[in-house]
Amino acid sequence: SQTIHQWPATLVQPVGSPLSLECTVEGTSNPNLYWYRQAAGRGLQLLFYSVGIGQISSEVPQNLSASRPQDRQFILSSKKLLLSDSGFYLCAWSGSLGNSLNTEAFFGQGTRLTVV
Amino acid sequence: RKEVEQDPGPFNVPEGATVAFNCTYSNSASQSFFWYRQDCRKEPKLLMSVYSSGNEDGRFTAQLNRASQYISLLIRDSKLSDSATYLCVVIETGTASKLTFGTGTRLQVTL
Repeated sequence: SQTIHQWPATLVQPVGSPLSLECTVEGTSNPNLYWYRQAAGRGLQLLFYSVGIGQISSEVPQNLSASRPQDRQFILSSKKLLLSDSGFYLCAWSGSLGNSLNTEAFFGQGTRLTVV
Repeated sequence: RKEVEQDPGPFNVPEGATVAFNCTYSNSASQSFFWYRQDCRKEPKLLMSVYSSGNEDGRFTAQLNRASQYISLLIRDSKLSDSATYLCVVIETGTASKLTFGTGTRLQVTL
């Protein structure tokens, strides 16, 4: 069966510090991978998605970046965190059924980031 | 206009009530639709897919109206444990797997 791992679960970082959140998927090949952010009491904002190694699509301009160095690994990074980067970060994967069709998305347990 | 819109609520209903949520989407090329449930401070979890002909899973019924570009979720005989935020998800054809979430509708079931 497929599983998704995301870590760390919680993180407190000072303003201006770097960030690296990692997400890995097991039990599937060539998944579509996603990073979402959810501010307190708000909806999910799509940050990045990837359909393959080295292929990253960015949805919003910001000081975050994403990389996919391996098929089942997705990394969210920042060189200098801002207070506004605080939020609940969720990694997700979905399967490709071909012809632009996809399975539903499955989420990691999330990282609660507080920038102080 | 937002790509996917939901009434944020909250919907406060008594136990046993029937409640319905709608979710509208702007892109007529959208191809796949899902309802997710998110509990406070947890990740979203799939509740059900939405099929063109409508589908039912126990007390939950999902429907798709392509002409009016909305999906709906009906919950019958609400339970206290149904209290959560319900998110709709839309996948558009040809956008390389982009999943767009609505902002969610919060449901609070009370005694």
